[in-house]
Amino acid sequence: NAGVTQTPKFQVLKTGQSMTLQCAQDMNHEYMSWYRQDPGMGLRLIHYSVGAGITDQGEVPNGYNVSRSTTEDFPLRLLSAAPSQTSVYFCASSQRWSSYNEQFFGPGTRLTVL
Amino acid sequence: AQTVTQSQPEMSVQEAETVTLSCTYDTSESDYYLFWYKQPPSRQMILVIRQEAYKQQNATENRFSVNFQKAAKSFSLKISDSQLGDAAMYFCAYRFQGAQKLVFGQGTRLTINP
Repeated sequence: NAGVTQTPKFQVLKTGQSMTLQCAQDMNHEYMSWYRQDPGMGLRLIHYSVGAGITDQGEVPNGYNVSRSTTEDFPLRLLSAAPSQTSVYFCASSQRWSSYNEQFFGPGTRLTVL
Repeated sequence: AQTVTQSQPEMSVQEAETVTLSCTYDTSESDYYLFWYKQPPSRQMILVIRQEAYKQQNATENRFSVNFQKAAKSFSLKISDSQLGDAAMYFCAYRFQGAQKLVFGQGTRLTINP
C-alpha cells in the first residue's frame, strides 16, 4: 500500500492563480480531510469528507473548495490564491466509524503564494 | 469549542535523559481521545501514542509514556532515554467520540543535544 499520497510536494503561485492539490489513498478509508499547518498554530482543518459525494467545512474553509467523487481521491482547489494561503497542506484519511483509529497523513505540500 | 494548548514552544534535552512535554485541553465532552504526533524534518506526521479518556491507565509505547490527568485536562508526554532521532516537532491532538476531526495544539519543537 502506498498509504496517503499528495502531489505536488512544492508549489509556488502568483496571487490570483488557481491550482488543485491532489490527495489519494489506497486504504479504502471513508474519511478524508485537509489541514493546513502554519507556524505557531499547529494544524487546522480546512474541509473533510465522510464518504464519496459528501463534504463539509472545517475550521478554515474560506478560499478553498473540495469534492469527493471517489473513495480514493480528495482534491483541494484554490480558486484565486492569496498570500495568506502560503502554508503547508496535509491530507489525512482514516476509517469512518472509529474515533480511536489512527489518521494517516500524507507527506504534505508546501505552497508559497507571491 | 474544543481547544488544545501546548505552552512550551521549544524544549531541549541531553541525549539519554528524560523530557516531558506538556499539553492541556478544554472540552465539555466526557468521551474523547488524545494523541501525540511527531513531525520530523521530513514533515511526515507520525502517531506516537494515543489515550482513550475512559481509561485510567496511562498509555505507554516503549520509551514514550503519557501522564493523563482527566480532571485537570492535562495530557503530558514523557520521553525516556532520549535519542537523537527523537528530535522533531511534537503535536498534541484531541478528538471526541464519534468525530473524526482532530484539534491540534501549537506544537513543541524538541531538540536533542548529543
